[in-house]
Amino acid sequence: SQQGEEDPQALSIQEGENATMNCSYKTSINNLQWYRQNSGRGLVHLILIRSNEREKHSGRLRVTLDTSKKSSSLLITASRAADTASYFCATFGGSNYKLTFGKGTLLTVNP
Amino acid sequence: EAQVTQNPRYLITVTGKKLTVTCSQNMNHEYMSWYRQDPGLGLRQIYYSMNVEVTDKGDVPEGYKVSRKEKRNFPLILESPSPNQTSLYFCASSYSAGYGYTFGSGTRLTVV
Repeated sequence: SQQGEEDPQALSIQEGENATMNCSYKTSINNLQWYRQNSGRGLVHLILIRSNEREKHSGRLRVTLDTSKKSSSLLITASRAADTASYFCATFGGSNYKLTFGKGTLLTVNP
Repeated sequence: EAQVTQNPRYLITVTGKKLTVTCSQNMNHEYMSWYRQDPGLGLRQIYYSMNVEVTDKGDVPEGYKVSRKEKRNFPLILESPSPNQTSLYFCASSYSAGYGYTFGSGTRLTVV
């Protein structure tokens, strides 16, 4: 069963612009993670935010979490063509020992 | 280099011919998992393992088997593959179930 749902499904921006992707989920979570996938390749873990955290930064990435709204956002600042990829949020609920992925946002950064 | 290694990367097989996709990690991770990725359906978990000799079903386990005899290896077995198992498969490992996963490069399986 899908837990996270990303929005938008696809996003196209110019190099240098910021990209914001959103994730909504349905049940309580222990943590939420974001991953990147280049076309057909393995997913790469970007950042993990725990349920008691509200914001986290890693390089050009900024993640926020609002547990009252059951939503998270991923902001990529000053995007580059190399950021072109699909981005997935994944939730970990704790009781079922698994990470449940959304269907992803396809980000295209045009040079 | 810390990594999850899957083999083969590509495989075309015929219906009913048993096959195994291997997965090995060199990070001493306790948790390992298999996912399949299909267009429009996203990533769905097939099986997972909390540690050696401890495995459990994910969301779509039908038609698959796994084993975890050693900590580093977690093979995925398709005893009698069918065309609806045509998919992109990923193995992943993690220090523990709720930590960030390291994914393999994927196995693109086609069953004809």
